[in-house]
Amino acid sequence: EDKVVQSPLSLVVHEGDTVTLNCSYEVTNFRSLLWYKQEKKAPTFLFMLTSSGIEKKSGRLSSILDKKELSSILNITATQTGDSAIYLCAVEVSVGAQKLVFGQGTRLTINP
Amino acid sequence: DTEVTQTPKHLVMGMTNKKSLKCEQHMGHRAMYWYKQKAKKPPELMFVYSYEKLSINESVPSRFSPECPNSSLLNLHLHALQPEDSALYLCASSQEPGRNQPQHFGDGTRLSIL
Repeated sequence: EDKVVQSPLSLVVHEGDTVTLNCSYEVTNFRSLLWYKQEKKAPTFLFMLTSSGIEKKSGRLSSILDKKELSSILNITATQTGDSAIYLCAVEVSVGAQKLVFGQGTRLTINP
Repeated sequence: DTEVTQTPKHLVMGMTNKKSLKCEQHMGHRAMYWYKQKAKKPPELMFVYSYEKLSINESVPSRFSPECPNSSLLNLHLHALQPEDSALYLCASSQEPGRNQPQHFGDGTRLSIL
């Protein structure tokens, strides 16, 4: 059975801190790993990492895929209160069609 | 607001009602998805449509019936639902099946079964 595990499940830090969120996976037919941010409604897309693109950066956010360790990290530097959200890691697998297998999410709270 | 539009935003229905959830995208995406998300849990895949054909059904009960009338529209028909079906129903789309393109989600329909 395909499995995606995130840690920690919950994290509380102060504004300005740097955080690292972890995601590990055990799947067959890996295609890509995606990070999403979910506040109250739709998960919004952050990054997609594949065998040909193992490191991505956008502003204060960056992510790395370690295909040997079957894991990924999401880094957020100089955190702001607006970064408070649930961060979802999902692995895209191919089973005839493509499907996403989600981790449980990390609830990040940034205190002023 | 996202480029995937879901209606209605909220729906309350009784167990004997029949209702439909709608999802629309005009990005030319050819893969569309239904997910169910319970409180404090990640989204769980229900159905995948590729080029308007059902390609994955994750053993979803028959009281949920998907339909893809055209490449822009995805419906989820609901009938005789149970209280445990109360959840946020998310629709997503991606550019082309088989290519590494991210799924983009709508804001969801929050469904409550009385």
